[in-house]
Amino acid sequence: DAKTTQPPSMDCAEGRAANLPCNHSTISGNEYVYWYRQIHSQGPQYIIHGLKNNETNEMASLIITEDRKSSTLILPHATLRDTAVYYCIVRVALSNFGNEKLTFGTGTRLTIIP
Amino acid sequence: KAGVTQTPRYLIKTRGQQVTLSCSPISGHRSVSWYQQTPGQGLQFLFEYFSETQRNKGNFPGRFSGRQFSNSRSEMNVSTLELGDSALYLCASSFTANTGELFFGEGSRLTVL
Repeated sequence: DAKTTQPPSMDCAEGRAANLPCNHSTISGNEYVYWYRQIHSQGPQYIIHGLKNNETNEMASLIITEDRKSSTLILPHATLRDTAVYYCIVRVALSNFGNEKLTFGTGTRLTIIP
Repeated sequence: KAGVTQTPRYLIKTRGQQVTLSCSPISGHRSVSWYQQTPGQGLQFLFEYFSETQRNKGNFPGRFSGRQFSNSRSEMNVSTLELGDSALYLCASSFTANTGELFFGEGSRLTVL
C-alpha cells in the first residue's frame, strides 16, 4: 500500500469548515483513498472514500487532486463532536481473494475549539 | 440495525495466561477483520476472515489466532500472554470481501499484568 503523510494535529473553530490534508504521492492507479476517524475510546468510523473524482456524503467531502498525489477531507461545519483522530488510508482494490487490510498511519488529531 | 458487538469490553489477565475475545458482526456481514491498537504501534492488522476462511494475516506471532463460525461470528485467541499484548483489540465487519468500508466495534481492552 502507498504511504500517506498527514499533519500530526490541527485546530478548527466550531462552525467553520475543517480541511484535513493528506499527501499520497506514491499512490498507484488502482488505489483508493479512504478516510476514517477515531473518537477517543471508540473504534474507527468510516467517513468517505474515492478513486479520482471528488466525493461527498452526509458527513464530509473528499477532494482529490488531478494527479491523485494528495487529497483533502472537508468537514463543512465542524462541531465539537468532530474532535477525533482522522486517518487517511490508501488501499488497493482486490478481486475476490479476501479483504485487503487497512494500513492506518498516525493520523491527524483534529481539535474543534468552541 | 445493531452494530458490531465485541465481548468482553474490558479484561485483565496475567502473563502466561490465554484469552479469547469474541466479535459479532453486523447482521448480513460475512467478512470480519481484527486489529490491535497500542499507543506505541497504533492500529495494526491482525487477520481477516470471510466465509469461515482466513483470507489475510498480519505480521503477528503464532500466539495470535482466530476463527470464524458459520454464522459469521468470530473469535480471536492469544495464548501465553505477554505484557506487550496489552492493547485495544478491535473487530470490524463488512458485507463483502473486497471493500475498504469497514464497520468497527468499540473494542476489547486487554490489560496483561
